[in-house]
Amino acid sequence: AQSVSQHNHHVILSEAASLELGCNYSYGGTVNLFWYVQYPGQHLQLLLKYFSGDPLVKGIKGFEAEFIKSKFSFNLRKPSVQWSDTAEYFCAGKSGGSYIPTFGRGTSLIVHP
Amino acid sequence: KAGVTQTPRYLIKTRGQQVTLSCSPISGHRSVSWYQQTPGQGLQFLFEYFSETQRNKGNFPGRFSGRQFSNSRSEMNVSTLELGDSALYLCASSLNGLAGGQAVDEQFFGPGTRLTVL
Repeated sequence: AQSVSQHNHHVILSEAASLELGCNYSYGGTVNLFWYVQYPGQHLQLLLKYFSGDPLVKGIKGFEAEFIKSKFSFNLRKPSVQWSDTAEYFCAGKSGGSYIPTFGRGTSLIVHP
Repeated sequence: KAGVTQTPRYLIKTRGQQVTLSCSPISGHRSVSWYQQTPGQGLQFLFEYFSETQRNKGNFPGRFSGRQFSNSRSEMNVSTLELGDSALYLCASSLNGLAGGQAVDEQFFGPGTRLTVL
C-alpha cells in the first residue's frame, strides 16, 4: 500500500539549531509531495510542495525540502530554528495519478528559547 | 478572502448518538475534503466532495457520511458514535480538488471540530 512515513515523532531543539525532519514515501512513478505545519491552536497550513522540476523546494518561513528519488525521501530542513517554529509538522504525498494524498503521522517539534 | 470555517468548534456526545459537522469552504472553491486527525495516526482521509458529488472516499465505515450543497458548503455526519470516533475533524477546500496528474490545487484547512465521545 502507498504510504508516507515520518520517523521522528518528537524533536526537541534549542533556538539556532539546525532542523531536519525525515519523510519517506512508498509510491512509484510520478509523485506529488507536501509538507504542512500546524502551529498550536492554528489551522494546518502548507509549508511547501513538490510536483516536478528542481528537487530542492523552497517554502515559507525559511523552510526547504529536498526530493531524492533514489531514496524515496522528501526531508524538511531549516538551517536555524526559532522558538516560533514550535509546531506539528506533517509530510503528505500522492502518486501523480491518484486523487487522495496520504499523510504521515506527524512530528512534534519543540524549540526551546 | 475569508478562510475555511467549521462549526461547531467543540462537541461532546455520548456513545450511540449521531453528530453533524459543518464546513464552509473558501468562496469559489468547489472541492471539500474531510479528514480525521488523531494523536499518533496523523490525518486520515474520509471523503471528498466536488460539485455536490462524492468524488473520492477513504477507508471508513458507512457510519461516516457526508454531503455537499449547491453553494459548496459541506456537512459530515457520524451515526452511532463510538469512543474511537473522538478526534479532530478537519475540513479542507480547494478550487478543483484532488485531481490526478500534476495540477493539484493547494488545500486550505479549517480549524477543525474537536469531537469527544463519552
